[in-house]
Amino acid sequence: EVKLVESGGGLVQPGRSLKLSCAASGFSFNDYWMGWVRQAPGKGLEWIGEINQDSSTINYTPSLKDKFTISRDNAQNTLYLQMSKLGSEDTAIYYCARADIYTRDYWGQGVMVTVSS
Amino acid sequence: DIQMTQSPASLSASLGETVSIECLASEDIYNNLAWYQQKPGKSPQLLIYYASSLQDGVPSRFSGSGSGTQYSLKINSLESEDAATYFCLQDSEYPWTFGGGTKLELK
Repeated sequence: EVKLVESGGGLVQPGRSLKLSCAASGFSFNDYWMGWVRQAPGKGLEWIGEINQDSSTINYTPSLKDKFTISRDNAQNTLYLQMSKLGSEDTAIYYCARADIYTRDYWGQGVMVTVSS
Repeated sequence: DIQMTQSPASLSASLGETVSIECLASEDIYNNLAWYQQKPGKSPQLLIYYASSLQDGVPSRFSGSGSGTQYSLKINSLESEDAATYFCLQDSEYPWTFGGGTKLELK
């Protein structure tokens, strides 16, 4: 069974940084692109970016490229999202998602990040 | 960026009815479109990929169609468990973009 479990969320002050993790199991992690998507409260979904199998290619949505960094550790079957200079607009549920040949087929349950003083 | 315009934003239908949800892309996305179902407090679940391919385990009352810039999700014979928010995703061109979502309510 494919499982993606995000962690590392919580309350963070504006301007601070936070690193999210996504632990993968039930599939061969190093065979897949992986990505992050977020959903602000009551809003739609926003794709953040994706990383390929060996971390040689990372694509970001342009508006987030300077503050978010995606990485992975294939030995630990874990995907990461490093977020910096956080603002209230970054308050959202953050999901990790697996990307198969066609689309994003499995998503984690999400982790809440609240940016507030 | 490719804009995805999804309609309607909300929908109310009765059990057993058939409904359709549309996504219009701002340019040709060459069938690189997926549909997801999301229930409150849950993660999105893939229903349809590549415009019309049914994901394993998804009931056959869900179907997708379309080409070019226009795509639709059809749900036949609505069941109570279909109450959810549905949204489309284009993964033809970076950055991937989502439709705004359709909230389906069962009467």
